Amino acid sequence: DAKTTQPNSMESNEEEPVHLPCNHSTISGTDYIHWYRQLPSQGPEYVIHGLTSNVNNRMASLAIAEDRKSSTLILHRATLRDAAVYYCILTPRGSGGSNYKLTFGKGTLLTVNP
Amino acid sequence: KAGVTQTPRYLIKTRGQQVTLSCSPISGHRSVSWYQQTPGQGLQFLFEYFSETQRNKGNFPGRFSGRQFSNSRSEMNVSTLELGDSALYLCASSLAGTSNTEAFFGQGTRLTVV
Repeated sequence: DAKTTQPNSMESNEEEPVHLPCNHSTISGTDYIHWYRQLPSQGPEYVIHGLTSNVNNRMASLAIAEDRKSSTLILHRATLRDAAVYYCILTPRGSGGSNYKLTFGKGTLLTVNP
Repeated sequence: KAGVTQTPRYLIKTRGQQVTLSCSPISGHRSVSWYQQTPGQGLQFLFEYFSETQRNKGNFPGRFSGRQFSNSRSEMNVSTLELGDSALYLCASSLAGTSNTEAFFGQGTRLTVV
């Protein structure tokens, strides 16, 4: 499986944008990039995913580098509720069946200061 | 619509006993995956079921097993419990268990082995 690298921790102030980076230099052309987050004492929560183009949803934006070797999760206005561990995960396109799984790394612990 | 429901939320068992955990996926979802989360190892994939068939299995001993019923509900069983099995066990459901779909996680079952 292709590997992702994320900073161990990041800090942000409330109501400011947050850019969470993820490096995946060994990504294959058919890997999807997923982001999940885990709030304290809860199960992981889906945030966003994409393949090649930038993606937006109500929670966040995903900016994917042109060479796809890195991506950035953007929270436009951080709130205290966004304090969580953020995981960047690659899933091979077309994987389903015998190779479907999410491989979690250590993620980035985001602290949001009031 | 109702989310993923895991029962029980907390469990205390004695070493050597066995335990069964239950997961009810989101209605219509046919893929159910199980993960173990510990402070030392993080989130690790246990197995995935789709339409009552195990499609993928992680690197866990045979003491860890599971099954899925025709209504997509799933159970996982751990036999001959060891202290190291103390963990948060998370269940995730997705529509079809493919790389382009999101997974929805339950709150988890916190298992403590004494």
